[in-house]
Amino acid sequence: DVKVTQSSRYLVKRTGEKVFLECVQDMDHENMFWYRQDPGLGLRLIYFSYDVKMKEKGDIPEGYSVSREKKERFSLILESASTNQTSMYLCASSLIGVSNSPLHFGNGTRLTVT
Amino acid sequence: AQSVTQPDIHITVSEGASLELRCNYSYGATPYLFWYVQSPGQGLQLLLKYFSGDTLVQGIKGFEAEFKRSQSSFNLRKPSVHWSDAAEYFCAVARGGSSNTGKLIFGQGTTLQVKP
Repeated sequence: DVKVTQSSRYLVKRTGEKVFLECVQDMDHENMFWYRQDPGLGLRLIYFSYDVKMKEKGDIPEGYSVSREKKERFSLILESASTNQTSMYLCASSLIGVSNSPLHFGNGTRLTVT
Repeated sequence: AQSVTQPDIHITVSEGASLELRCNYSYGATPYLFWYVQSPGQGLQLLLKYFSGDTLVQGIKGFEAEFKRSQSSFNLRKPSVHWSDAAEYFCAVARGGSSNTGKLIFGQGTTLQVKP
């Protein structure tokens, strides 16, 4: 079965800390995504990667960076965590250029920055 | 700019009753449209999608959705709701009409509560 695994279900970090959110997929998908989910705002795209070492900014990239050194792994980095980055973070993957390929989501990481 | 609006933040229906969740999109060309469901503590799961062709699409778990270009709508329906359908539902449109389905614009979500 298709699987997207996010390494942490819950994280609590302090303001100013560097935070790493990890995501691994086992489907050999080219595309990987990081979304942020907030009540009343739905999901918003932070960053997108369509290949190893390739990345593209989404709608809300400020304060975030990403790393994709291997095809199966996509990391979201908060360089200096702030309280307004308290949120649910969802990783997803999909096949590239295939119109019927759905997004496969992980179960999310709920990050609290204090 | 493209956008998706789900007018209902929260809906409560009785078990066995019919359900319709509304979704309106803004896009000039033919959109690629999706409905996802998120059960508590879970990631999102694809219910159904519309790319072209028949405007009434069938999905998993007994859901269907109808694309109406004249109304810029893609409403989700189910004839008889089960308690296990309680979840949050998201409508989404593919950015720029691209078939690269990962770059989606999501609506705000509708939380469905099911009364026994």
